[in-house]
Amino acid sequence: KAGVTQTPRYLIKTRGQQVTLSCSPISGHRSVSWYQQTPGQGLQFLFEYFSETQRNKGNFPGRFSGRQFSNSRSEMNVSTLELGDSALYLCASSLAFSGRDGEQFFGPGTRLTVL
Amino acid sequence: GDSVTQMEGPVTLSEEAFLTINCTYTATGYPSLFWYVQYPGEGLQLLLKATKADDKGSNKGFEATYRKETTSFHLEKGSVQVSDSAVYFCALGGAQKLVFGQGTRLTINP
Repeated sequence: KAGVTQTPRYLIKTRGQQVTLSCSPISGHRSVSWYQQTPGQGLQFLFEYFSETQRNKGNFPGRFSGRQFSNSRSEMNVSTLELGDSALYLCASSLAFSGRDGEQFFGPGTRLTVL
Repeated sequence: GDSVTQMEGPVTLSEEAFLTINCTYTATGYPSLFWYVQYPGEGLQLLLKATKADDKGSNKGFEATYRKETTSFHLEKGSVQVSDSAVYFCALGGAQKLVFGQGTRLTINP
């Protein structure tokens, strides 16, 4: 069974631009979560989608948004990029809601560098 | 809200040494507890889990016991290998989502 795939793997943008990252979950998984990983802040939860609905949202500004399609694929968008948005963005999928019973399967991440 | 506190790293050990990485949590209700591992250049992968008090999760020689009385889920391994070098994350699965600790970077020297 194919794992979680994320595209692109690496991205370089300049301040003020916007970016869209893509995530394809494991086949049959309906929940997709996004995380931002930085050396200073560690792993921070961005949002979770289940059946095309945002179920949970972390404490990030409105510049960070996401969506999920009917095939469970998900995209996240960051507008008006700032230097501090440079990070590894991880996507994780699970069969159901993450949480008590929700083992998550992670993709390799997209490394975003903002210059 | 729910939270997880891990021992700060980095941790450096010699091969075949005993490993303990401490993890304590704060949660309402009865969460599940997880340890995830991240090898260089990869995403996180589940190492082990426990879903109720006194459960012991184990995998690849690693163990952790869900201790409700001390709200802890410490990761242990009797004899580490160079290939265990990675970042380890303790996580709590509550009603709404997974909450991760800050991660502990482990380096094993031959």
